Amino acid sequence: DVKVTQSSRYLVKRTGEKVFLECVQDMDHENMFWYRQDPGLGLRLIYFSYDVKMKEKGDIPEGYSVSREKKERFSLILESASTNQTSMYLCATAGGTGTDTQYFGPGTRLTVL
Amino acid sequence: GDSVTQMEGPVTLSEEAFLTINCTYTATGYPSLFWYVQYPGEGLQLLLKATKADDKGSNKGFEATYRKETTSFHLEKGSVQVSDSAVYFCALLNSGNTPLVFGKGTRLSVIA
Repeated sequence: DVKVTQSSRYLVKRTGEKVFLECVQDMDHENMFWYRQDPGLGLRLIYFSYDVKMKEKGDIPEGYSVSREKKERFSLILESASTNQTSMYLCATAGGTGTDTQYFGPGTRLTVL
Repeated sequence: GDSVTQMEGPVTLSEEAFLTINCTYTATGYPSLFWYVQYPGEGLQLLLKATKADDKGSNKGFEATYRKETTSFHLEKGSVQVSDSAVYFCALLNSGNTPLVFGKGTRLSVIA
């Protein structure tokens, strides 16, 4: 079974703090994704990565950056957290073919005070 | 661009009722179609998928048929249970290493 783990289930940070959300997968998948989930808005893609050291902007990259130094780890960084970044953050991975399923982690619920 | 539209919720049903959640899509080419489910407090997990026209995906009593002529992938279940209460997301994947395109999700509540 694919296992996708996220560093925290719940996180509380203060406005202006730098926040790191970590995602680790154990299936040697090339593709990794970060989404945020908000009521009424569904899932919105922040960034994704096709390979180590590669990244692509999604639909809402503003205020975020990412890092992928190793294949199994994809980090989402909030350079200076703001209250409008309070959300559920979901990481996902997928293999390399066009029909491949995405596998999701359990999510991190981030609250920025 | 590609998009997915699914019926807005919440949907509330009694146990053993018939479920339909509508999903239509707009895409170029021949996308693969997915239904994901999110149980309370969890991440999303794949429920079923179909990769070409007229394919039927099925799992845990849920079914959906890929209808290219109507660009639809409606989710159905003949008899829902309380344990089916969750948020259901329809999604498409158009090609290669592109991200999934999700609908906004439909919350289902099943009452005993």
